[in-house]
Amino acid sequence: NAGVMQNPRHLVRRRGQEARLRCSPVKGHSHVYWYRQLPEEGLKFMVYLQKENIIDESGMPKERFSAEFPKEGPSILRIQQVVRGDSAAYFCASSPGLGQGGTYEQYFGPGTRLTVT
Amino acid sequence: EDKVVQSPLSLVVHEGDTVTLNCSYEVTNFRSLLWYKQEKKAPTFLFMLTSSGIEKKSGRLSSILDKKELFSILNITATQTGDSAVYLCAGRPNTGNQFYFGTGTSLTVIP
Repeated sequence: NAGVMQNPRHLVRRRGQEARLRCSPVKGHSHVYWYRQLPEEGLKFMVYLQKENIIDESGMPKERFSAEFPKEGPSILRIQQVVRGDSAAYFCASSPGLGQGGTYEQYFGPGTRLTVT
Repeated sequence: EDKVVQSPLSLVVHEGDTVTLNCSYEVTNFRSLLWYKQEKKAPTFLFMLTSSGIEKKSGRLSSILDKKELFSILNITATQTGDSAVYLCAGRPNTGNQFYFGTGTSLTVIP
């Protein structure tokens, strides 16, 4: 019964390169959330996706960042032309959906630590 | 603007001490508050609180929510070094999909 899987666990990119972060949700979960955790800061919501749909991307930077959750395969968070300020831990979480009475929780993956040099 | 504030930011205690971590929230159309423990990896779920005044308990950890005063506390009794972690709380609104996280309380338990 695998939990949320993220890869790679560590990613080093030079400024200007692209970073692709992958998230495989818990089997049967159709909702995926991406969060960013900067040093000394809390988890910041970025985007919420269901299969093939972006539901809420209000936390995503307007440029260079994009996310998808295709019908088949993992969810991908893509950062183009990375800058040093993108260095952070990126966490993915999945849930089975909006439960009745707020009884569901999000299950987090181990995170991807992105370092931009 | 919705926000969650945790205090203290950090705490150092000796094994066996009891600690109380605070979380205050301002979340529009509040639905529930969640507590997570984060070590050097992803946050792991501790509690979800939706009703005021009902204590949730798991071993040495317990938590309660006050929806009138808009805060929650997480208590840890007889602390152990394994309790050292960052404890996050998050507020969830009834509508929308964001969980609003606080910056966490860093707890260090020394032997």
